[in-house]
Amino acid sequence: DTEVTQTPKHLVMGMTNKKSLKCEQHMGHRAMYWYKQKAKKPPELMFVYSYEKLSINESVPSRFSPECPNSSLLNLHLHALQPEDSALYLCASSQQVVDYEQYFGPGTRLTVT
Amino acid sequence: AQSVSQHNHHVILSEAASLELGCNYSYGGTVNLFWYVQYPGQHLQLLLKYFSGDPLVKGIKGFEAEFIKSKFSFNLRKPSVQWSDTAEYFCAVNANYGQNFVFGPGTRLSVLP
Repeated sequence: DTEVTQTPKHLVMGMTNKKSLKCEQHMGHRAMYWYKQKAKKPPELMFVYSYEKLSINESVPSRFSPECPNSSLLNLHLHALQPEDSALYLCASSQQVVDYEQYFGPGTRLTVT
Repeated sequence: AQSVSQHNHHVILSEAASLELGCNYSYGGTVNLFWYVQYPGQHLQLLLKYFSGDPLVKGIKGFEAEFIKSKFSFNLRKPSVQWSDTAEYFCAVNANYGQNFVFGPGTRLSVLP
């Protein structure tokens, strides 16, 4: 199984809502990542978890809150987002942070109204 | 700061034409290099990767890439493209032992039947 799954596929939320994005992999990978991708742009790294500990936070606003409950799951909690946060949010995983390719999920298309 | 550049924003080719997409990076240390493809409506998939050894690497679907360390380049090639190769292609660099993972801006390839 080389699949990274993400739910939901689409999400529309208001600026006062609280929602969560979920990501799951069963490849035994110990590194997991959140990216943000705007239309016609490359993915931008947001967070990296290594062995369930946050190892990289690319200066992401606090309205985005990551969580790694266990080695297979990664969540992104959203609160008080802005319309400019509308984007495709991608989850990825790799065996470890160093020297391994990342496997990407299909993404969650987020629209903030 | 580390950066990745891709020479072409949009490439248009006819079927059976040869393809070369340029990629240059700015980081001077040890790097791992990747090419990812994003077909319309689909998630990012790894085409090929370079970690060490033979600088000419072969990937899936007939793609190959050559790492030229002196030129900080990792160009993607395919001798004969097909209509199904129409997609967005991203070069990516993993540097500093996994502390930096950066995508290039992407090159959109359109193959005309």
